[in-house]
Amino acid sequence: KQEVTQIPAALSVPEGENLVLNCSFTDSAIYNLQWFRQDPGKGLTSLLLIQSSQREQTSGRLNASLDKSSGRSTLYIAASQPGDSATYLCAVRMDSNYQLIWGAGTKLIIKP
Amino acid sequence: DARVTQTPRHKVTEMGQEVTMRCQPILGHNTVFWYRQTMMQGLELLAYFRNRAPLDDSGMPKDRFSAEMPDATLATLKIQPSEPRDSAVYFCASGASGRVEQYFGPGTRLTVT
Repeated sequence: KQEVTQIPAALSVPEGENLVLNCSFTDSAIYNLQWFRQDPGKGLTSLLLIQSSQREQTSGRLNASLDKSSGRSTLYIAASQPGDSATYLCAVRMDSNYQLIWGAGTKLIIKP
Repeated sequence: DARVTQTPRHKVTEMGQEVTMRCQPILGHNTVFWYRQTMMQGLELLAYFRNRAPLDDSGMPKDRFSAEMPDATLATLKIQPSEPRDSAVYFCASGASGRVEQYFGPGTRLTVT
């Protein structure tokens, strides 16, 4: 059974720092992996989706990497800003089906 | 600006009462998902519809939960009778055929006392 883990559960860093959020999964035979952002009281917004054949995806200051063999993905945020404060969740799909298997999320706080 | 809408945004009700949550998917999307989020369990998939037909509702307690799509612009999730353990945020998400992206609504925060 696939399990997705995100450590740490919470992270607080000063504004301007580069940071890395971690996501690990137990079964490396994934179809794709997706990073989401959740703001308090709001729904989830998709940030990046990495197909199993890809190593990384970039969007602005965000870069997500995928290492299937080690069962890990990282979300790199460059030059963090207070507006980046949110909970970041990763989720994996095992096949082209819709089912997402979710991590518990990392709550990120960027201090001005 | 196309987005998924959910009503109500907040609901407080007493144990035993019926609760109905509504979702309007993005126009043209033919897949709809219902999720429940709690601190203890995180995000759980409750039900999945494609072209208004339920394809998977295995995550949903059948004795008290029901999900329907009366038409392509409305999805409903009903709890009857509600229990305190149903307190959670319920999210609806929609997607387009052949695409894996899911677009989430803002959620309904349900509190059952």
